[in-house]
Amino acid sequence: QLELQESGPGLLRPSETLSLTCSVSGDSVGSNYFWDWIRQAPGQAPEWIGKVYYIGRTYYNPSLQSRVTMSVDMSKNQFSLTLRSVTAADTAVYFCASTRCNAGYCSPPEHWGPGTLVTVSS
Amino acid sequence: QSALTQPASVSGSPGQSITISCTGTTSSVGTYNLVSWYQQHPGKAPKLLIYEGSKRPSGISARFSGSKSGYTASLTISGLQADDEATYFCYSSAGGNTYVFGTGTKVTVL
Repeated sequence: QLELQESGPGLLRPSETLSLTCSVSGDSVGSNYFWDWIRQAPGQAPEWIGKVYYIGRTYYNPSLQSRVTMSVDMSKNQFSLTLRSVTAADTAVYFCASTRCNAGYCSPPEHWGPGTLVTVSS
Repeated sequence: QSALTQPASVSGSPGQSITISCTGTTSSVGTYNLVSWYQQHPGKAPKLLIYEGSKRPSGISARFSGSKSGYTASLTISGLQADDEATYFCYSSAGGNTYVFGTGTKVTVL
């Protein structure tokens, strides 16, 4: 059974860089999964941030693309999210999740981490 | 990004059936029915209920079913139970290898 767990700082100041890691157990990050990041601001719908494949292929939400980088670390069986120049609007619970993609179609995220709250405040 | 619009709230009594709609503008909704549905209880991660319009992952109750008409996908919950009280989100491709969640529907069991 695939299990995911997010980790990272819970509090950031405006203009800082958010770095989150998702640790994967039950399978290799080099397996046939795309790895997603999704966030959910308080009381709002989830927002898809992007996805990354172990060879470095990435797809990002156009609204965040200029500030986002995702990568995979096979040696640690982890993948990560970097979000630059954060503001209060980036305050949210951040989830990591897994999807499978084949022939141009990606399944919806099925396995999710429990989420980690990130607050941006001065 | 393309939007998926849902009603803010739906309610029903135990044992009844309710239907939640999700209206989009992309071919993923209108042509291919590649809409998924999630259930989210407070403080928890979303749980996948339906994918590819009407398919259920292993372990999901048959009380949850999905359908489509035109550019509107629907989730029906039959035999409403107290534990069904949660927020439900649809999810689909927004085109160009990007994805979007619906606005969310809070289900209240009366």
